Amino acid sequence: KAGVTQTPRYLIKTRGQQVTLSCSPISGHRSVSWYQQTPGQGLQFLFEYFSETQRNKGNFPGRFSGRQFSNSRSEMNVSTLELGDSALYLCASRVFVSLYGYTFGSGTRLTVV
Amino acid sequence: GESVGLHLPTLSVQEGDNSIINCAYSNSASDYFIWYKQESGKGPQFIIDIRSNMDKRQGQRVTVLLNKTVKHLSLQIAATQPGDSAVYFCAENANSNSGYALNFGKGTSLLVTP
Repeated sequence: KAGVTQTPRYLIKTRGQQVTLSCSPISGHRSVSWYQQTPGQGLQFLFEYFSETQRNKGNFPGRFSGRQFSNSRSEMNVSTLELGDSALYLCASRVFVSLYGYTFGSGTRLTVV
Repeated sequence: GESVGLHLPTLSVQEGDNSIINCAYSNSASDYFIWYKQESGKGPQFIIDIRSNMDKRQGQRVTVLLNKTVKHLSLQIAATQPGDSAVYFCAENANSNSGYALNFGKGTSLLVTP
């Protein structure tokens, strides 16, 4: 079966702009989590969605938001982009909100200039 | 604050040798740990996990050891192959009232030389 699909793979944006990233989970997976990966901070949890509801949130400013649709696909949005938002954004899906069966996508590489 | 960390940022081993990647954690309440492998241009890939009620768990060519006394986790890779070259992350559960999230270490880069 298909894995976790993230689009686009690469993105270049200008400071102050906003961006929307998309994640399609594995079929049957209802939980979608987002992580930010940077060389300095490593992998940091952004938020998790299950059944269209945000279930858990990391320590990121309100400029980072997300949502989940009825088909479990998820989007995350970053408004008023800053240079420090340049990172690899990873999406992970699993069947339920638990620790098991966490499968990551290949990520979206966002560069803010 | 409490965090998961890795002892060595890089590790170079010869093909065929065994590799050991170490990880220290500070949250004594952590009850679940995972090792991930990340290759260039890809997302982290699950390798093996272990619950805190276990000391050791084995997979195919990999073994995870957990020492709760000193809060230490290690990943052993037997007969390391060039395809094992990647960055390896340990992660621990970070429970909250509303759900689970993984707290990742910084990562160790494993380089397998012929």
